[in-house]
This record gives sequence, structure tokens and C-alpha cells, in this order.
Amino acid sequence: AQSVTQPDIHITVSEGASLELRCNYSYGATPYLFWYVQSPGQGLQLLLKYFSGDTLVQGIKGFEAEFKRSQSSFNLRKPSVHWSDAAEYFCAVEIAEGGGADGLTFGKGTHLIIQP
Amino acid sequence: EAGVTQFPSHSVIEKGQTVTLRCDPISGHDNLYWYRRVMGKEIKFLLHFVKESKQDESGMPNNRFLAERTGGTYSTLKVQPAELEDSGVYFCASSQDFSSGNTIYFGEGSWLTVV
Repeated sequence: AQSVTQPDIHITVSEGASLELRCNYSYGATPYLFWYVQSPGQGLQLLLKYFSGDTLVQGIKGFEAEFKRSQSSFNLRKPSVHWSDAAEYFCAVEIAEGGGADGLTFGKGTHLIIQP
Repeated sequence: EAGVTQFPSHSVIEKGQTVTLRCDPISGHDNLYWYRRVMGKEIKFLLHFVKESKQDESGMPNNRFLAERTGGTYSTLKVQPAELEDSGVYFCASSQDFSSGNTIYFGEGSWLTVV
């Protein structure tokens, strides 16, 4: 079965500093890859997704992610974080089998803490 | 356009009681999903409706959980009887069509606490 690993449970970054959140997946084929964010008291919001093509994808709120097939990774980055970026971030994969969509498999999430 | 809405947002019930969670997907979305996040664990897939039919219910934990989607519009998820380990956040999501990689939109979740 596929799995998603987010090795960092918590990350603390100073406001204005750069950010990278790690995500690795385990699956034989290339899955569809997603990053979601959950701000306090809010639902899950899609930041970006990768299906095919350019391995560097741009998302909302200034986020980007790079798919690296050789490393089975899909790390999320932002060049300069803002206090409003404090939230929990989830990496997810979707495996397409039988021509249709299956459910998402999520990582455990990474809490991002922004310090002044 | 309204997003995915869930009700109630928070619920506290006693062990053995029944709770029914409701989800209204985005209008026109045939696909509706339920996910759950138990404290400290991953968000887990529960089941997937295509219109009123259950496409995949492989993630439902046991027969205390019953999901319905009458008429292919809103969906309910009933937990009866509730156990302590059912506490967590229940997310509903919807998407427009049944194609891989289609964007799935999530609601804000229903936070369930069983005491």
C-alpha cells in the first residue's frame, strides 16, 4: 500500500525566512501529489498539486513544490514566510487505478510555527 | 459559490450515544468523500460516493459507522453507538467528476469528542 511520510512533526521558522517542508511517498508508479494547509479553525485548503509535466509547480500564497522522481519526494517551499503561514501542512497522494480516482493518502502533517 | 459545508462544527457526546454528521457538497459535485483524523494520526479515507452510490467504503472502520447520500445531494455519517476512539475530526470533501487528479475540496470538518 502507498504511504506518505512527513518526517518533521513541528518546524519553527522566523518570519521572513525561507521554508522547506519535506514529503516522501512510497509507491511504485508516479502518483498525483498534493499539498494542503489547515489553518486554526479552518478546513483543508489546497495549496498546489502535481499531475505531470513541469516538476516545479506553483501554488497559492507564494508556495511552490518540486517533484523529484529519483527521491520520491515532493517538498514544499516558500522563499519568505509570513506570520499568517502558521498552520498545519499536509502532503497527500492519490493513486489512479482502473482509470478512476481513489481516495487521498495523507501524511501525518507538519505544524509550522512562525516566530517574530 | 458556497464551499463544502459540514454540520455540526463541534459535538460532544457520551459513549454509547448516537451522532449524525451532515455534509453538503459543492453544488453539482457528484463525488463526495468522508475522511477522519483521529488525534495524533493521519487523515484517513473513509468512503467515497458517486452521486448516491457508494463507490468505495473500504476505509469505514466498522459497522458502527453508516454513511448515506440519499438523492445524491447531501450526505450523513452516523456513528452508533459512539466509542471513545471515535473522537476526532471528520472531514467531508467533494469533487466535480471521477477523474484522477481532480481537485478535491474539503469542508472545515466536524470535531467530535466522545466522553
